[in-house]
Order: sequence, then C-alpha cells, then structure tokens
Amino acid sequence: DGGITQSPKYLFRKEGQNVTLSCEQNLNHDAMYWYRQDPGQGLRLIYYSQIVNDFQKGDIAEGYSVSREKKESFPLTVTSAQKNPTAFYLCASKPTAGGGTGELFFGEGSRLTVL
Amino acid sequence: AQSVAQPEDQVNVAEGNPLTVKCTYSVSGNPYLFWYVQYPNRGLQFFLKYITGDNLVKGSYGFEAEFNKSQTSFHLKKPSALVSDSALYFCAVRLPLSGSARQLTFGSGTQLTVLP
Repeated sequence: DGGITQSPKYLFRKEGQNVTLSCEQNLNHDAMYWYRQDPGQGLRLIYYSQIVNDFQKGDIAEGYSVSREKKESFPLTVTSAQKNPTAFYLCASKPTAGGGTGELFFGEGSRLTVL
Repeated sequence: AQSVAQPEDQVNVAEGNPLTVKCTYSVSGNPYLFWYVQYPNRGLQFFLKYITGDNLVKGSYGFEAEFNKSQTSFHLKKPSALVSDSALYFCAVRLPLSGSARQLTFGSGTQLTVLP
C-alpha cells in the first residue's frame, strides 16, 4: 500500500542530544514537509522540500535540519539547539509542489519527549 | 498574510444532535479550503475540500461544509452526530496560485467530543 511511514513513533531524548526522525514515502510525490504540532497551536511548518536536493525553511526552522538526497526520504534532525523540542512531529507529502488543488498526505507522526 | 481561525477549542454535542465546527479565514483572493481530521496519536487525514463551484461540499460519513464568501467561513456540519465522530478537526486555507505548502495555513484545531 502506498503511504508515508514515520519512525520511530515514540522517542525519548536526553537534553543535549541530537535525534533524527525518519520519513519515507512510496507515493512518488515530489514535495515533502515537516510540521510540528503542539497542543492548542495547530501545525507549524518546520522545513519543506519541493524537489530532490532542495529544501527551504518554514516558519520555525531554528534548531532543526533536514536533507533530501532521495525522492522517497526526508529525514528531520532535531538538534540540541532546539530549545523546546518536546512535541508531535508530522511528515507530509504532496504530488507536486506548485499550485494545484491537491491535499497533503500525512504520516502517523513521531512523538519526541526530552527528558 | 492569510490566517485561519477556529474560534472554539472544544465542541461537545450529544449523540444524535447536529454538530457544527466553525472556521473563518482571512485571505486576499479566492481560497482553497480544507478540513482535516486527527484521531489520538495519529497523523492528519484529509476530510474534504472546497476548490470552486457548489458552495456546499459533501464529505464522508454524512459530513458537509459550506463555503460562505461573504462571511469568509467554511463551517463543518453534520445533521446527526455519532460518538465515532469524536476527533480533532483542523481547517486550512491556501491561495490557488501559491507555489508551495508554505502558503497552506492551518487553524489551531477544534476538539469535537460526541457524548453518548
């Protein structure tokens, strides 16, 4: 079945450690996105990529990094510079980056807790 | 700048009663409007969208949403609520000519609880 796979589903981290969240899609979508979800704040865009080897900062990119070496994969690294990393992280994709009427397809999310 | 407001953090309704989850938006131009639903500890699922044409959009499980341009609203409705409708609902807006999802703006979400 086609879809987006995020791993791990739950992750615990000590302060000062970097962690990488995986996002893989087999939908052949060009565009991929990372969102952060906090209670009562909706979704905030961290990074997005419209094509392989290209990505742009979203609204809250500080303390995060990404790569897009393959079309299928868009991993997110939460670095020790991120001041408040405990959150639910959602990866999404879309067939094409530009225009269109298409909706986003989301993964099941990764919940990161900093101890 | 565009924005989406979901004025109610929480909506409680008795099973069998009609439900409304409100969404208003602010954007220059004619927007695309979306509803997404999220169940606990899960990702968001696309629910329905308005692109153009008939202002009343019908979705799954008896839900519908009405686009009202004069009131800049896109409220989600269902005539008879079920306990299984309980979830977190997000409204989102995007301008048609925007080039990427950076231009997709989400509301803060409304937790719908249907009481048996």
